This record gives sequence, structure tokens and C-alpha cells, in this order.
Amino acid sequence: SQQGEEDPQALSIQEGENATMNCSYKTSINNLQWYRQNSGRGLVHLILIRSNEREKHSGRLRVTLDTSKKSSSLLITASRAADTASYFCATFKQAGTALIFGKGTTLSVSS
Amino acid sequence: DVKVTQSSRYLVKRTGEKVFLECVQDMDHENMFWYRQDPGLGLRLIYFSYDVKMKEKGDIPEGYSVSREKKERFSLILESASTNQTSMYLCASRPQGTTEAFFGQGTRLTVV
Repeated sequence: SQQGEEDPQALSIQEGENATMNCSYKTSINNLQWYRQNSGRGLVHLILIRSNEREKHSGRLRVTLDTSKKSSSLLITASRAADTASYFCATFKQAGTALIFGKGTTLSVSS
Repeated sequence: DVKVTQSSRYLVKRTGEKVFLECVQDMDHENMFWYRQDPGLGLRLIYFSYDVKMKEKGDIPEGYSVSREKKERFSLILESASTNQTSMYLCASRPQGTTEAFFGQGTRLTVV
């Protein structure tokens, strides 16, 4: 079962533009994470936001969380070609067990 | 740095073969996971383990089994490989009581 669903499925932008990806989830959460996957590789953790936080920043990343709407967004500012990757949101299946991932957003940044 | 190593990047097996995918982590993590990733379906959880010799079914365990005899190693077994098990397989680990998972580089398995 997919806990998170990202939107859009694919996004193409030019270098320097901002990229926004959205994630909706189904059940109550304690936290939500975003991961990045370069083509043909494993996933790498980007950022975690807790359920009592509304916004969090890390470098060019900004994550928001709206628990009333069960949704989160990941904003990448001033995108670079190196940001080209797939991005996934993830929540815990049950407290402290396995992470469940959405289907991902594929971001393509052209120079 | 945490390292999660999957034994093969690419693997080609024949239908009916028994296939072993190996995953080793070097940071004494209690939890280990196997996912498969398919286009349009994202990552789906096959099995996970929270301790040596312990295992839990994920969302799609059918056709798979796992083995965790040592803390650092988590093996995924395809008892009789079928073409619908052609996929990218990702192993991950996570220390108990933390949130971040660490992934291996993936094994792209093709069953012919």
C-alpha cells in the first residue's frame, strides 16, 4: 500500500527556476521525510519534518507540512541541472517500523 | 559514512532459478528492508527485519523469502524466479529509534 502520493509525476524546468513537488498521505503521521534518487541509484535522505512543524528549510530546500490536509510540499529554489532526479516522500507504516514511499516525482532541470 | 552494499548491480537469471540478493550494512543497524521499484509503482516493501532471525512481511511478500542470520546481512530470496519479478531491488537499513533510512545502490534483476 502506498502511503504517500506525489504530484506531479513529472516536472521539467529550466535552470534557475523553482521546483515544487507535492505529497499527499493517508493516515496520521509523526513525521514525513523526503528522499532523492539519482537515475539507477539508491535513495538518499534529504529532509525530515515533524508533525508539529509547519515549515522547515535546508539550504535550497523548503518543506511544508499541513496535517489537516494530510499533505506536504518540497520546494527546490534556484534549480540546477544536478537537481535532476526523482523525489519521494515517505512516512512510517506503523510507529517505528518500515518506511512507505510514494510513487515519486521525476524532476528534469535543463540548462 | 554509513555504507549499505548490495552484492550485484545487475543480474540476469532464468525463469525457475533460485535467486539470492545479498545486502550488507556496516553500521550495526537493527532494521533492514527490501523494496522493489517498478516504473509507475514507486517503491514497494517486500520484507523487513528488526533483529537477527526476525522478519516481517511487507506489502508484496509473495514469491519472496528473506534470511537474517547475522545483524549486518539481510538476504532476499526468490524461490523460483519468474519474469514478473524483473525489477530494481533496493535494500535499506536504519538504526532502531531513528528515522532516516540508508539505501544501497540497487540491484537491477532481469528474469528471462
